[in-house]
Amino acid sequence: QVQLVESGGGLVKPGGSLRLSCTVSGFTFGDYYMSWIRQAPGKGLEWVSYISTTSSTKKYADSVKGRFTISRDNAENSLFLQMDSLRAEDTAVYYCARNPPSWGYGDYWGQGTPVTVSS
Amino acid sequence: DIQMTQSPSSLSASVGDRVTITCRASQSISNYLNWYQQEPGKAPKVLIFAASSLQSGVPSRFSGSGSGTDFTLTISSLQPEDFGTYYCQQSYSAPPWTFGQGTKVEIK
Repeated sequence: QVQLVESGGGLVKPGGSLRLSCTVSGFTFGDYYMSWIRQAPGKGLEWVSYISTTSSTKKYADSVKGRFTISRDNAENSLFLQMDSLRAEDTAVYYCARNPPSWGYGDYWGQGTPVTVSS
Repeated sequence: DIQMTQSPSSLSASVGDRVTITCRASQSISNYLNWYQQEPGKAPKVLIFAASSLQSGVPSRFSGSGSGTDFTLTISSLQPEDFGTYYCQQSYSAPPWTFGQGTKVEIK
């Protein structure tokens, strides 16, 4: 069955860095775009970034552009989000999601990994 | 950026009721509109993609309609397990793909 498992979240000071990972199984990872979506405490969903199958296309929300970098390793069935220059407003649960071709939605999601940015 | 506006922000309905949630885009998004349900403490689950296509495994009481700027999610007969927050999301234009602010559904 399709599974996505995020890891790497935690507590970090403002200005610090974290690298999130999403390890997948149950499908051919290299056939799908992948996304990161986050949800601040008590708030709605915010799409953060997506990456194409070959990593040739990467898109970011304005709120993270220049600070976050999405990447993937198709051989290792893994998706990554390098988060630098973290701010308090980056505090959220971060989800990875699989994006079926053409329609840009998440059909399978991980359970999420919490990130807290605080001094 | 394309803004997505949902209404209502919350609703309370009884089991068996017909429930309708609307989502309006700030510009035309054709049918690039998706609907999710999120239960507290859980990841979102897609219900409808491409405005009206039912995701595999989702009960048929859920349906979606609309195109352009105005969209609707309908639950034909509300069930106890349908509580949670519902979000629309446009995937017409990125960056960014944007979500509505959510509609919280409570069961009376």
